[in-house]
Amino acid sequence: GENVEQHPSTLSVQEGDSAVIKCTYSDSASNYFPWYKQELGKRPQLIIDIRSNVGEKKDQRIAVTLNKTAKHFSLHITETQPEDSAVYFCAAPDDPLSNDYKLSFGAGTTVTVRA
Amino acid sequence: NAGVTQTPKFQVLKTGQSMTLQCAQDMNHEYMSWYRQDPGMGLRLIHYSVGAGITDQGEVPNGYNVSRSTTEDFPLRLLSAAPSQTSVYFCASRLRGREVTEAFFGQGTRLTVV
Repeated sequence: GENVEQHPSTLSVQEGDSAVIKCTYSDSASNYFPWYKQELGKRPQLIIDIRSNVGEKKDQRIAVTLNKTAKHFSLHITETQPEDSAVYFCAAPDDPLSNDYKLSFGAGTTVTVRA
Repeated sequence: NAGVTQTPKFQVLKTGQSMTLQCAQDMNHEYMSWYRQDPGMGLRLIHYSVGAGITDQGEVPNGYNVSRSTTEDFPLRLLSAAPSQTSVYFCASRLRGREVTEAFFGQGTRLTVV
């Protein structure tokens, strides 16, 4: 099955600085890489995703990059704001060629934005 | 459109007690799943279902049962609660198919087993 590793486990940044979280995956057939944000006491929610036919995707201050050769993908948050403080999870599909694939999640990164 | 609804939000059980966590979705999603969230371990899959009458085990199924009698509902049963089952539980649903789609999560159930 898919093995997703996520680093770092915690990240503290000054407001206005950038934050980068990196994930590696093991299944070269994986074709979809979502990122979920979980605010304290809330449910995880999708913030951005990327498919394997593109190398980068941006949505305002967040971007995701994918390196299929190295089997890693990263979340970039620019101009961080206090509301970016949350736990971020990456994920990749286990058995992506199946209609019934399962999502394997990384262990999560706790991001704290210091004012 | 309520999305994915979980009940209860909080629960305290004594060791050996049983209970059912409820999950319902109104998006006509075929695929539903249960995860547990523990510090430093991310979201781990307990059980999942690809449609009514079909269920399968995930990564950490021991001590849990599920059933899927309708498309909308996917309850999770703890048979005999143990302190190791203290966790936050999330139900999630999505469309089924090879074209991977967004998973929608319920608001979570914080379970404490004493």
